[in-house]
Amino acid sequence: AQSVTQLDSQVPVFEEAPVELRCNYSSSVSVYLFWYVQYPNQGLQLLLKYLSGSTLVESINGFEAEFNKSQTSFHLRKPSVHISDTAEYFCAVSESDSWGKLQFGAGTQVVVTP
Amino acid sequence: ETGVTQSPTHLIKTRGQQVTLRCSSQSGHNTVSWYQQALGQGPQFIFQYYREEENGRGNFPPRFSGLQFPNYSSELNVNALELDDSALYLCASSPDRGRTGELFFGEGSRLTVL
Repeated sequence: AQSVTQLDSQVPVFEEAPVELRCNYSSSVSVYLFWYVQYPNQGLQLLLKYLSGSTLVESINGFEAEFNKSQTSFHLRKPSVHISDTAEYFCAVSESDSWGKLQFGAGTQVVVTP
Repeated sequence: ETGVTQSPTHLIKTRGQQVTLRCSSQSGHNTVSWYQQALGQGPQFIFQYYREEENGRGNFPPRFSGLQFPNYSSELNVNALELDDSALYLCASSPDRGRTGELFFGEGSRLTVL
């Protein structure tokens, strides 16, 4: 069975500053990795995913994450945040033969202030 | 294109009662997954339905049951409600058991058990 650890429950950050959200996972088999975002009073939305190929994946709104197999990590970064990035961010993993059955971390609340 | 819709959005039940939550999947999606998100935690996988058959189940007791209809909409039923069942219940749809790597979530049904 796999597990996901998000090391920070809340990350306060000033607008235009960089942010990094940490995610570590454990699994005995190959995995797929995801970051989902949940804006207030909305459902979860996929931010980015790693399935195979390049270990650095990017989203359309400036986030990126790097899959590090040796460190079993999938940290999320953005070089300059906006007020609109205020949300809860969830790291998730699924085993490669278990599509759609995600194990989520506890989430990291990002609060961006002016 | 209509997204994933869930009903009801909020409901209050008492211990021992039964509840049915409903989910309409996004057009073209034949897979529905249900997740439970307790306050302050990440979503936990309950089960997945693919073409009207259960296709995997998380660590939830049998009093959590589901159904998927020919139009791929789905129901989650919980019998003998307990206080710990209070949570946000999320439905997610996807094509082909989630093989694209993306789940499309509804906004959830918030259940309070008194």
